[in-house]
Amino acid sequence: KNEVEQSPQNLTAQEGEFITINCSYSVGISALHWLQQHPGGGIVSLFMLSSGKKKHGRLIATINIQEKHSSLHITASHPRDSAVYICAAYLISSGSARQLTFGSGTQLTVLP
Amino acid sequence: GAGVSQSPSNKVTEKGKDVELRCDPISGHTALYWYRQSLGQGLEFLIYFQGNSAPDKSGLPSDRFSAERTGGSVSTLTIQRTQQEDSAVYLCASSLKPGLFETQYFGPGTRLLVL
Repeated sequence: KNEVEQSPQNLTAQEGEFITINCSYSVGISALHWLQQHPGGGIVSLFMLSSGKKKHGRLIATINIQEKHSSLHITASHPRDSAVYICAAYLISSGSARQLTFGSGTQLTVLP
Repeated sequence: GAGVSQSPSNKVTEKGKDVELRCDPISGHTALYWYRQSLGQGLEFLIYFQGNSAPDKSGLPSDRFSAERTGGSVSTLTIQRTQQEDSAVYLCASSLKPGLFETQYFGPGTRLLVL
């Protein structure tokens, strides 16, 4: 069982829809990152958080430490949001404080 | 050219050969990370450098894998006696310093195919 799990694996939405991608983890974490991988393969860091909520443009990331859960929300989705979204966490249980453990990613497709 | 660069962008090799993958981090970034993304699988941590030293080599999958960083800048990941299961995209990232909340900037990756 992966220590960082994402759902859904695939998500198709219509332009303008509100999108939620979920990430849950089974052990304590120090911090959690959300990444975006473009169709060409390039990876961009979106958010880093350990508590509460962060917002950047149409993207919102939340985390609930007690429930071991984080969500990435996209408001007013657009076809250019189509990408793979990946959550990654620094697990307290890992051998290294600098070793990110990755979820398997959510493939988002936003149709015009 | 302010981003992380990697070379080669693609590499095809025969099983049993050695390969060297190169990463040029953003100038001034002290932390450097290597990751692997196998087909149909998620990203996997390989190794992390702070300056020229690698405090954490725990992610390297076998002793055929090694990495070094010189001058606090360029890093090379070497895979000896490559196997077909080594086929993957190898990604490098750098951050200004090695903090939990430091943004990691990713390179475009090297696609390795072992025949």
